[in-house]
Amino acid sequence: DAKTTQPNSMESNEEEPVHLPCNHSTISGTDYIHWYRQLPSQGPEYVIHGLTSNVNNRMASLAIAEDRKSSTLILHRATLRDAAVYYCILSFQGGKLIFGQGTELSVKP
Amino acid sequence: DAGITQSPRYKITETGRQVTLMCHQTWSHSYMFWYRQDLGHGLRLIYYSAAADITDKGEVPDGYVVSRSKTENFPLTLESATRSQTSVYFCASSTLALYEQYFGPGTRLTVT
Repeated sequence: DAKTTQPNSMESNEEEPVHLPCNHSTISGTDYIHWYRQLPSQGPEYVIHGLTSNVNNRMASLAIAEDRKSSTLILHRATLRDAAVYYCILSFQGGKLIFGQGTELSVKP
Repeated sequence: DAGITQSPRYKITETGRQVTLMCHQTWSHSYMFWYRQDLGHGLRLIYYSAAADITDKGEVPDGYVVSRSKTENFPLTLESATRSQTSVYFCASSTLALYEQYFGPGTRLTVT
């Protein structure tokens, strides 16, 4: 199964953009790239997903490298409520998600 | 709109006992999933179901049994609980395999 690599932790200042990187060098052509986040004591929450093209939604943007071996989740203006663990995940047959360790994002006021 | 619910939210049981964790969703989603999350770790898939009466194993299925007789319910049973099954269990659902999954609030299970 394809794996992802993310930094263990990142810090950001409130109101500034945040770029969360993810490497997935063994990705296959049919793997979708998903991002979820998990706030303390809650279940994971879907953020965004994509296959080849960059994607935008109300929560974030997903920038996918041309070779698809890496991607970046962009939070345009971090708020204190965005402090969470962010998971970059590759999904494959049957929609199975293989979660890694994720990146713990802290946001400073 | 209840969404996806799990019960109980907290459970303490003894080694060797049978425990069933319930998951119920009101969206009529085809797919349902069970994950476990151990302290300081990401989630690991236990079982999933593509539709009623269709289930398949995930990464860590040993010691667990699932059934899905109705689309909206997906119970997870620990037939003989062990201490290594102490964990937080999350249920999720989605409309299609590659669409976003919606997670429940979790059940914190402690096996003594």
